[in-house]
Amino acid sequence: NAGVTQTPKFQVLKTGQSMTLQCAQDMNHNSMYWYRQDPGMGLRLIYYSASEGTTDKGEVPNGYNVSRLNKREFSLRLESAAPSQTSVYFCASTLVGGTEAFFGQGTRLTVV
Amino acid sequence: GESVGLHLPTLSVQEGDNSIINCAYSNSASDYFIWYKQESGKGPQFIIDIRSNMDKRQGQRVTVLLNKTVKHLSLQIAATQPGDSAVYFCAAGGGNQFYFGTGTSLTVIP
Repeated sequence: NAGVTQTPKFQVLKTGQSMTLQCAQDMNHNSMYWYRQDPGMGLRLIYYSASEGTTDKGEVPNGYNVSRLNKREFSLRLESAAPSQTSVYFCASTLVGGTEAFFGQGTRLTVV
Repeated sequence: GESVGLHLPTLSVQEGDNSIINCAYSNSASDYFIWYKQESGKGPQFIIDIRSNMDKRQGQRVTVLLNKTVKHLSLQIAATQPGDSAVYFCAAGGGNQFYFGTGTSLTVIP
C-alpha cells in the first residue's frame, strides 16, 4: 500500500519549457489536490479535484493546468515554466469531505 | 478567503517537557482546523483535526484547543520526544479548500 506517489522527485527546467507532474493514489480516495510550498509561505492550493471528472481552481492556479485522468491519477501541467514556479509541489488525497489529507513525498522543481 | 498565521517560527523544548504551538486564523466561517507535521524531505502528515463546534480534542499525546472568540488554535504535545522534531502547520477551512499557516519549526533538545 504505497499511499500517494509523485513523479518525478526532482526536476530542473529552463524558462519556457513544459512538463507534467504525475500523482497517483491507491487508497480509493475521491478527492485529490495539488499544492505548492515556498519558503515562508506555507502550502498553497493550486487546483483540486473533488471527484473523478471534476476539477476546480484553488488559491494560486495561474500558469497551471490539471487533468483528473481517472480515480487514481491527478496530473499537474506547466505549459511554459517561469522562475516564479520554482517550488516544491505536493499532491494529496482525501475521502469525500474528509479532513485527513495524505500527501506524497513532493516534487522539487527548479526553473532556471 | 482565509489567513492563517503561526505565532512563532521556531520553538525549542527539552525532551520530556510539554510543547505548545499556537496559530491564529481570520475567517470565522472555517468549519475545520487541522494540524500537520512535516519532517525534513517529506510531505505533511496529518496529526489531528477539530471541528468548529468543538473547543478541545485529544489524541495520542496531543491536544488541540480552539478558541473561536479570539480565533486562536493551539497544539499541545505532551512529553515531547526527539521524534517530534519537525515543522508543524495549522490549516483552516472546509469542503475542499484549506489555508495553511507558514509553520513552526520544533526542535527537541535531548
